[in-house]
Amino acid sequence: NAGVTQTPKFQVLKTGQSMTLQCAQDMNHEYMSWYRQDPGMGLRLIHYSVGAGITDQGEVPNGYNVSRSTTEDFPLRLLSAAPSQTSVYFCASSYRMTGTTVYEQYFGPGTRLTVT
Amino acid sequence: SQKIEQNSEALNIQEGKTATLTCNYTNYSPAYLQWYRQDPGRGPVFLLLIRENEKEKRKERLKVTFDTTLKQSLFHITASQPADSATYLCGPNAGNNRKLIWGLGTSLAVNP
Repeated sequence: NAGVTQTPKFQVLKTGQSMTLQCAQDMNHEYMSWYRQDPGMGLRLIHYSVGAGITDQGEVPNGYNVSRSTTEDFPLRLLSAAPSQTSVYFCASSYRMTGTTVYEQYFGPGTRLTVT
Repeated sequence: SQKIEQNSEALNIQEGKTATLTCNYTNYSPAYLQWYRQDPGRGPVFLLLIRENEKEKRKERLKVTFDTTLKQSLFHITASQPADSATYLCGPNAGNNRKLIWGLGTSLAVNP
């Protein structure tokens, strides 16, 4: 199993550009999520999905879109990049989910994004 | 608002000693807490999960406790090694609506 994969590893964008961060998992996990991690801010949830076709907003969703057409893939789209979106982005998945309880998560290697 | 707080100051200890990291939670009652390890430039890796009724859980040199009275979880690494140097994150726990709450993490440095 490859686990959770993310591409690209690094990206530089100009303000106003759009792009998609890719995330895929091969563990048949239902729950997938996107985080951003900034110094002094910790991990903050952007969007999450509890299954194909179902997505919801996290703590900091503005400026980002997601979709979940398959169990395996959960891309994150930046609509119009801003310098405030400079961050490290992590995708994660989890198979253990009961009601509102989400258990251990598997993280991808991260994408380091710089917006100039 | 619901919050998880960890010591923001880095913890420096000598090899062989026991490292103890603290996680305090406020404004909610998590049914469980999780601990993760994060190395520089990498994603967090799951270590242990403890439920509110378990009080203590062990895995090799790791031990986690959960005190619902103090609203606190402690994470211990016994016989610490330089390879244990990393940032340790408490959380996540789904407060409301699966919006997972994380601590900021505590950096641990084990000196040889």
